[in-house]
Amino acid sequence: ELKVEQNPLFLSMQEGKNYTIYCNYSTTSDRLYWYRQDPGKSLESLFVLLSNGAVKQEGRLMASLDTKARLSTLHITAAVHDLSATYFCAVDRGSTLGRLYFGRGTQLTVWP
Amino acid sequence: DGGITQSPKYLFRKEGQNVTLSCEQNLNHDAMYWYRQDPGQGLRLIYYSQIVNDFQKGDIAEGYSVSREKKESFPLTVTSAQKNPTAFYLCDSSIPIRGLCEQYFGPGTRLTVT
Repeated sequence: ELKVEQNPLFLSMQEGKNYTIYCNYSTTSDRLYWYRQDPGKSLESLFVLLSNGAVKQEGRLMASLDTKARLSTLHITAAVHDLSATYFCAVDRGSTLGRLYFGRGTQLTVWP
Repeated sequence: DGGITQSPKYLFRKEGQNVTLSCEQNLNHDAMYWYRQDPGQGLRLIYYSQIVNDFQKGDIAEGYSVSREKKESFPLTVTSAQKNPTAFYLCDSSIPIRGLCEQYFGPGTRLTVT
């Protein structure tokens, strides 16, 4: 059974601090997606990581992928309140593009 | 503007009634998907379709049905056989580009069954 495990599930951090969210997966897929979801809203695509060693950055968020360890990280630098949201990682199931398997999400709260 | 729409945004039904959720896209995407989200959970795949007139069960298809008569439309029916239908339902479409799938999620429909 394919498993995608995120940790932590809940993260409360002060503005200005750094932290990392981890995403472990059990499949051999090398396509890893990160999404953001605000309460009551749909998903917003953040990053798509395609290959081992891939690193992408957008603002205060940086995502990386280690396919050998089956691990992706989402690093938050100098957090601000606007980053408060739930973050999901998802892996492509490999045999059929686009069929994603999601982690449970990390609910991030950034406080002053 | 190209995009994917879902309607309605909120839907209320009595237990025992079937209900159909709409999903339309004008992106000319072949593949479309339905996901369910429960509080504190990730999305789980209900059904997907890679081409018109063809669809496949996902991980939690029991109690749901779909059709794909047109490329633009992929409606989901929640039947009375679905034991816990109250959830947030997300539709998305995708297109393969350079080895990955660009996913486009709709705004979602929140279904409440009492």
